[in-house]
Amino acid sequence: AQSVTQLGSHVSVSEGALVLLRCNYSSSVPPYLFWYVQYPNQGLQLLLKYTSAATLVKGINGFEAEFKKSETSFHLTKPSAHMSDAAEYFCAVSDQGGKLIFGQGTELSVKP
Amino acid sequence: EAQVTQNPRYLITVTGKKLTVTCSQNMNHEYMSWYRQDPGLGLRQIYYSMNVEVTDKGDVPEGYKVSRKEKRNFPLILESPSPNQTSLYFCASSPLTLVRPDSPLHFGNGTRLTVT
Repeated sequence: AQSVTQLGSHVSVSEGALVLLRCNYSSSVPPYLFWYVQYPNQGLQLLLKYTSAATLVKGINGFEAEFKKSETSFHLTKPSAHMSDAAEYFCAVSDQGGKLIFGQGTELSVKP
Repeated sequence: EAQVTQNPRYLITVTGKKLTVTCSQNMNHEYMSWYRQDPGLGLRQIYYSMNVEVTDKGDVPEGYKVSRKEKRNFPLILESPSPNQTSLYFCASSPLTLVRPDSPLHFGNGTRLTVT
């Protein structure tokens, strides 16, 4: 069965600093992995997805994630945080049969 | 505008009073799903539907019912709500199919349900 673990329920960075949000997964089949972002009082929006075409995936708003099979990780990074990046971020894995499993979420705060 | 529409946005009800949360999408997506979001638990899948008249249980289906009589609509039914079903609910749709399992979800804006 698939599962997702996000390390750190809250991450705080200063504006301009590196953003690193951690995600580890387990999957019995080659995984499809996603990062979603949720702004206050809104639904989730897709940031990026991994589909085995390339291990480094670029998404919207300057975010990217690297798939590392040996570490079963799919960490999300952004070189320079902006105030508008403050939101909750969710990592998710698909079992290819219609079930999408989400992690617990990481709330990102950006300090001026 | 392509969107997933949930109604109502906010709902306060009492234990045992049947309720329905509606969900509609205008993107002709095959796949629809319901999630509940609780602090510290992320999103948990309640039910999903790969196509009309096809529904499957997610991870937390107890106490919920769904139906998929037409492609665009996927209502969530709570026959006898209880306080532990107080949560934020999201409907999502996707072009996801068994041959396109990497298709992303499009989410509605959520329904905040309180059961007293």
